[in-house]
Amino acid sequence: DIQMTQSPSSLSASVGDRITITCRASQGIGNGLGWYQQKPGKAPKRLIYAASSLESGVPSRFSGSGSGTEFTLTISSLQPADFATYYCLQHNSFPFTFGQGTKLDIK
Amino acid sequence: EVQVLESGGGLVQPGGSLRLSCAASGFAFSTYDMSWVRQAPGRGLEWVSVIRGSGGSTYYADSVKGRFTISKDNSKNTLYLQMNSLRVDDTAVYYCTKGAWLDAWGPGTTVTVS
Repeated sequence: DIQMTQSPSSLSASVGDRITITCRASQGIGNGLGWYQQKPGKAPKRLIYAASSLESGVPSRFSGSGSGTEFTLTISSLQPADFATYYCLQHNSFPFTFGQGTKLDIK
Repeated sequence: EVQVLESGGGLVQPGGSLRLSCAASGFAFSTYDMSWVRQAPGRGLEWVSVIRGSGGSTYYADSVKGRFTISKDNSKNTLYLQMNSLRVDDTAVYYCTKGAWLDAWGPGTTVTVS
């Protein structure tokens, strides 16, 4: 199975900050990676697919990059609505696997 | 508008069974892979199972293999998850998701095994 190592597990930041979250795959997955945002009590929402493609309707301050084994999610200027938990998901091969999550809160 | 809506969750005793359903609308259900993902209380996301669009192939996480069965009825636009031999650690919110890349999610249904 492919293991996804996500870091950091938690992050405190301020409105307007630029932040980066990283996921590393235990073996190459091409661009088979998505990023999800989850707010308390809600279903996850996909932000990025195919490693770097922005989901329709998602603000352009979100971006994804990487391929193979290392991937990043960047939020260029944090807004109050962005404080949430973020997960990566590899969907290159079964079983699909998620990263452990990054909880982003307000400093 | 794409919609998926889960139902069938509830409280069940260890060793019991439950069947979850997911009603889909707004897309060509028969052509899409569909998955179940779960989230235990206070924990991260865990992929559970997938079924190919035609219903011909299925895959499972090791944690549920042999106990859970995924199926879909393309005539009813409905996805199912039959859960047998339930354990306390199956307690979670279960999400139905659309597509090979999990692009749309339902609000979830809660399963409690106690």
